[in-house]
Amino acid sequence: KAGVTQTPRYLIKTRGQQVTLSCSPISGHRSVSWYQQTPGQGLQFLFEYFSETQRNKGNFPGRFSGRQFSNSRSEMNVSTLELGDSALYLCASTYQGGYNEQFFGPGTRLTVL
Amino acid sequence: DQQVKQNSPSLSVQEGRISILNCDYTNSMFDYFLWYKKYPAEGPTFLISISSIKDKNEDGRFTVFLNKSAKHLSLHIVPSQPGDSAVYFCAAMNPGAGSYQLTFGKGTKLSVIP
Repeated sequence: KAGVTQTPRYLIKTRGQQVTLSCSPISGHRSVSWYQQTPGQGLQFLFEYFSETQRNKGNFPGRFSGRQFSNSRSEMNVSTLELGDSALYLCASTYQGGYNEQFFGPGTRLTVL
Repeated sequence: DQQVKQNSPSLSVQEGRISILNCDYTNSMFDYFLWYKKYPAEGPTFLISISSIKDKNEDGRFTVFLNKSAKHLSLHIVPSQPGDSAVYFCAAMNPGAGSYQLTFGKGTKLSVIP
């Protein structure tokens, strides 16, 4: 069974631009969560999608948004990029959430110049 | 405020000895806890979990202990192997809030010395 895949793996953008990251969950998994990892803040929850609906959102500004498609693939978008958005963005999937381990993808490394 | 704390940024252990990684939490509503291991350039990999109704869970060389009254959990690795060298994250979940999001600690970098 293929794992969680994320594209692209690396991305360089400049301040003010916007970016879209993609995540394909494990086949059959319907819940997708996004996390941001930075050296100072560690891993922080961005949002979770289940059956195309955002089920929960972390404490991030509205510049961060996401969506999920009918095939469970998910995208997250960051608009008006700031230097502080440079981070590793991780996607995780589970069958339907709940008391289940979340399987993480390798992440997308975003650098904002 | 950090709800899950891993106060040791790093730990070095000799191969074959026990590694003990600690984690403290402040939110008493957390009722499910997980440990993840992360290698550079990879996503976190699930290791072991424990529900708040238990105080111990074992899986091979890995054992997690939970002390609810102290809001403390620990991961024991016995015996430690060089391949265990990685960053270990403690995570907690509060499904009662209607969310299955994970709240992570900042990680402990374990180095197992051959």
